[in-house]
Amino acid sequence: GQSLEQPSEVTAVEGAIVQINCTYQTSGFYGLSWYQQHDGGAPTFLSYNALDGLEETGRFSSFLSRSDSYGYLLLQELQMKDSASYFCAGCYGQNFVFGPGTRLSVLP
Amino acid sequence: DTGVSQDPRHKITKRGQNVTFRCDPISEHNRLYWYRQTLGQGPEFLTYFQNEAQLEKSRLLSDRFSAERPKGSFSTLEIQRTEQGDSAMYLCASSLGAAVQETQYFGPGTRLLVL
Repeated sequence: GQSLEQPSEVTAVEGAIVQINCTYQTSGFYGLSWYQQHDGGAPTFLSYNALDGLEETGRFSSFLSRSDSYGYLLLQELQMKDSASYFCAGCYGQNFVFGPGTRLSVLP
Repeated sequence: DTGVSQDPRHKITKRGQNVTFRCDPISEHNRLYWYRQTLGQGPEFLTYFQNEAQLEKSRLLSDRFSAERPKGSFSTLEIQRTEQGDSAMYLCASSLGAAVQETQYFGPGTRLLVL
C-alpha cells in the first residue's frame, strides 16, 4: 500500500531552524505536499514538490529526493505561532495519502 | 477562512442513526475531496469528485457511506447506521485545475460524535 512516515514530535526554540523529514513509498507517486494544522483548525497548504530539489516560500522550504524516496520541510526563524502539526502528503494517482503528522513545539 | 464551508460544525448522534454533512467548496473549484481525521492522525482520504462525477473512492469507505455532488457545486456525505468507530472529524477540501496535485483548500470540518 501507500504510506508515509514522519517523526511524531519535534521541539525547538524560537529563532531556530528545524527540519521535519518524511519518507514515502514510490509506487504510483507523483509528488509531495506539506500541510500545517493548528489545534482545532483545518490543514492549510504550505508547499508542493513534484521534482527533485528545494522549493522556498518565505521562512519555509521543502525538499524532495525521488531517488531516496525522501523529503523534508525546513522551517527557519521559528516563531511561537509555528507550533502546530505538520503533515506530508503523497500524491498517488487521484488521491492524497497523508502521513501521521509531526507535532512541532516551539519554546521561548 | 479558506472559503470552503461545512455544515454542521458539530454533530452528536446515537449509534444506528443516519447523519448527513454538507460541504460548500470555493465556487469555481472543480474538484472536491472528503477526508476523515481522528485525533493525532493525518487526514484519511475517503472520496473525490471532479465536477459532479465521483472519480475515486477509498477501499476504507464502507457501503454505509455515500457521497454526492449533484450539480458540481456543493457536496453531501451521508453515513447510515452510524457506529462508534465513525466518530471523527470529517474534512472537505476543494481545488481548481486538471491535476490532482493542485493545492487543496480545506474547510473547518464537521466533528462527529457517535454515542
